Formats: sequence, C-alpha cells, structure tokens
Amino acid sequence: NAGVTQTPKFRVLKTGQSMTLLCAQDMNHEYMYWYRQDPGMGLRLIHYSVGEGTTAKGEVPDGYNVSRLKKQNFLLGLESAAPSQTSVYFCASRRSGTPNTGELFFGEGSRLTVL
Amino acid sequence: TQLLEQSPQFLSIQEGENLTVYCNSSSVFSSLQWYRQEPGEGPVLLVTVVTGGEVKKLKRLTFQFGDARKDSSLHITAAQPGDTGLYLCARPMNRDDKIIFGKGTRLHILP
Repeated sequence: NAGVTQTPKFRVLKTGQSMTLLCAQDMNHEYMYWYRQDPGMGLRLIHYSVGEGTTAKGEVPDGYNVSRLKKQNFLLGLESAAPSQTSVYFCASRRSGTPNTGELFFGEGSRLTVL
Repeated sequence: TQLLEQSPQFLSIQEGENLTVYCNSSSVFSSLQWYRQEPGEGPVLLVTVVTGGEVKKLKRLTFQFGDARKDSSLHITAAQPGDTGLYLCARPMNRDDKIIFGKGTRLHILP
C-alpha cells in the first residue's frame, strides 16, 4: 500500500538553483496539499489543489509554484531557491467532500537544504 | 495570524503520569482534528471531533471538543514512552478547503 509517495526524500541545493518536488498518491483523492515544517512552527500550508488542473494559495505561497496536471500527482516547484526555503516538505491528500471530517494522508516528507 | 494556539509547546514527564494538552482559537471551529507525528514520518490522524461537547476515547487518550467549539483538549492517562511525539491539532477553514495546523506540542515520556 503506497499511499502518498514523495520524491526526492533529501536534496541539497545552492542558492538560486531550481528544483521540483513530486507527490504521487494512489488513493484516487481529489484534494492534495503541500506543507512545510520548520522547528517550532508546526505545518504551514504552501499551496493546495481541489482537483486536476486547479491550484490555490495557502498561508506561505511566496517563492513556490505548483501544478496538478494529473489527478494523482501534485508538483511543488522552487524557481530560485533561497536559504529561507530550507525545510521539511510534506505532501498530503484527502478524499473530496466536506473538509470537516476528511482525513489527511501524509507522505514521509522531503528534506530540502539550501546553501 | 496564528489561528490555532497549542499549549504547552513542550512537555516532558515520567512514564505513568497523566497529562493534558490544549488547542485553542478565538473563532469557532466547524470541526477539529488531532494528529501525532513521530520523527522522520508524516503526521497520522488520531481523531476528528465535530460536535460541541463531544468526547472521544482512543485507548488511554481522551479527546474533548469544547461546548463553544473554540477549544479542544487531549488527555493521556498513564503515559508510556510510546506516546512520545509531536501532537498537532488542525482545523478546516470555513470559507475554503484549506486545513490549517497549530504549532504542535512536543511530548517526551521518560521511562
């Protein structure tokens, strides 16, 4: 049971470089989310998607772009990485319907370091 | 804007003790979720509370949703080292499909 899979799990970038994090889910979920986790900050929402071809901004969207070309995949891009983007990134998905009871299923995280 | 306040931020207690952690907001929740996260892993859902005054039990964990739906608590009875982890509360936003998390309570149970 794969669930939510994130690649890569670790990456080191230099300031100004670009990269893409891939999130794939095999549960046929409509909704997908990208969060970042920093020490003492909990999880902060970057961008999210309520379906194929749609994306929306979260709490901390600046410096990131996303795409949802296929229902099962949600990509997070950094066009010009900055040291402030050093973090652990988590992808999550959930089924459609009311968010009141929908469980989020998380990947194992991607640790990004920007030098 | 910190929509969810969790307290305490850190808690370290001896095995066998009881503890309570809190999640509060100035606005009304439509529902609240509690997750636990262990090192190197993603958060995992423990429970969802929806109705004001609701109490749910999961073995030694008791979750309560405040009557006014502005606060929630998690009580652990006879804590064990396996309870160690980061406890996060999360709420859906009323206007859209965002799910926002608090900063978490990091719990360490000493054997």
